[in-house]
Amino acid sequence: AQKVTQAQTEISVVEKEDVTLDCVYETRDTTYYLFWYKQPPSGELVFLIRRNSFDEQNEISGRYSWNFQKSTSSFNFTITASQVVDSAVYFCALSGTGANSKLTFGKGITLSVRP
Amino acid sequence: GAVVSQHPSRVICKSGTSVKIECRSLDFQATTMFWYRQFPKKSLMLMATSNEGSKATYEQGVEKDKFLINHASLTLSTLTVTSAHPEDSSFYICSARDRTDASYEQYFGPGTRLTVT
Repeated sequence: AQKVTQAQTEISVVEKEDVTLDCVYETRDTTYYLFWYKQPPSGELVFLIRRNSFDEQNEISGRYSWNFQKSTSSFNFTITASQVVDSAVYFCALSGTGANSKLTFGKGITLSVRP
Repeated sequence: GAVVSQHPSRVICKSGTSVKIECRSLDFQATTMFWYRQFPKKSLMLMATSNEGSKATYEQGVEKDKFLINHASLTLSTLTVTSAHPEDSSFYICSARDRTDASYEQYFGPGTRLTVT
């Protein structure tokens, strides 16, 4: 069975602070995908990143960076110099790689960035 | 990029009526679509997997007679909430897989907010 744990439920920071959102996963698959999604108040899920389990390179995209550590089954997400527009719920998710694979979501982290 | 639309975006209906929600893949063909339900401040819960031309596969605890799913074409899946009640009020999100995408990634629709009065 697959499981995604986002232990942090709510985080509040002041604008320009850096913030890290934690994600720990469990799977028996040897090949899998990890995702991060952003859900702003409008409700629409915004895709942020997909990472293949074979690719442990960290990734940076503008103010966003991701740290994938297979040894600790973690896929953490850092926002540098946070902005008010970053306020949203962030979901980490995991899927297998087969045609019948399903996405397993964590419970989400509500990030509030105060001006 | 792959675009998935949902219609309607918001719907209010009276208790006892049925509501149909459409999910369309606009620029790709989707042999598989998924329906999720999200309660306020909660995560997405997979309701069912919809395969084109065959019966949907429902997750445990989801009533198939209550939530009718039809995947009649490679670009359209519908979810019908039958005899809706206030407890069915929720945010319903669909996603679709591009049949040509080897990564089996899911592309999400914008969601439909259902309120049953």
